[in-house]
Amino acid sequence: QLVQSGTEVRKPGESLKISCQVSGYTFTNYWIGWVRQMPGKGLEWMGSIYPGDSDTRYSPSFEGQVSFSVDKSISGAYLQWNGLKASDTAIYYCARLSGGGHHPFDLWGQGTLVTVSS
Amino acid sequence: SYELTQPLAASVALGQTARITCGGNYIGGKNVHWYQQRPGQAPVLVVYNENDRPSGIPERFSGSTSGNTATLIISRVQAGDEADYYCHVWDYSTVVFGGGTKLTVL
Repeated sequence: QLVQSGTEVRKPGESLKISCQVSGYTFTNYWIGWVRQMPGKGLEWMGSIYPGDSDTRYSPSFEGQVSFSVDKSISGAYLQWNGLKASDTAIYYCARLSGGGHHPFDLWGQGTLVTVSS
Repeated sequence: SYELTQPLAASVALGQTARITCGGNYIGGKNVHWYQQRPGQAPVLVVYNENDRPSGIPERFSGSTSGNTATLIISRVQAGDEADYYCHVWDYSTVVFGGGTKLTVL
């Protein structure tokens, strides 16, 4: 399963790192994707990271805005911002890709609500 | 960039069959996946590779593709099927989601 860290409230310009804790399968064998859902809106793929070697793919829409990382020793994946904006307010999901490319996301975290407000 | 088009909303009477469409250029040549998102919950995979179901997903959920349209089919609709539904394909190494369809059960 994928268990995400809790709700966060931050001010614009602040930094933030949220986590996705994996259990029940070999963490390093599956890509982890990050998906944003803004209030009342649909799903947006932010990018994916392969924990085995930290190979990372960013959606062009999010390149340079966020960064992904992993800690193999504790089976954790992370999403980080270095300068939050009000428009980053959203629910963020981590999800496991069931295989390599062209596969679906077969396991999802419960989501982390991030609110950015002055 | 590749785009997927879904109707914003659909409605179906209890016990009837719902069909939710997802339009995209040559989508018939891609693996199409479908997710259900109930209010306040994370998405759940309900159909993958056009017409396969993960374990635990009822046979009432199926999919088809023809030309430039993929369709999620929900038979014998129940009240618990009321949710948002998203299609997903890969465009080269990029994930593309449809905009989502809100299904209302009447």
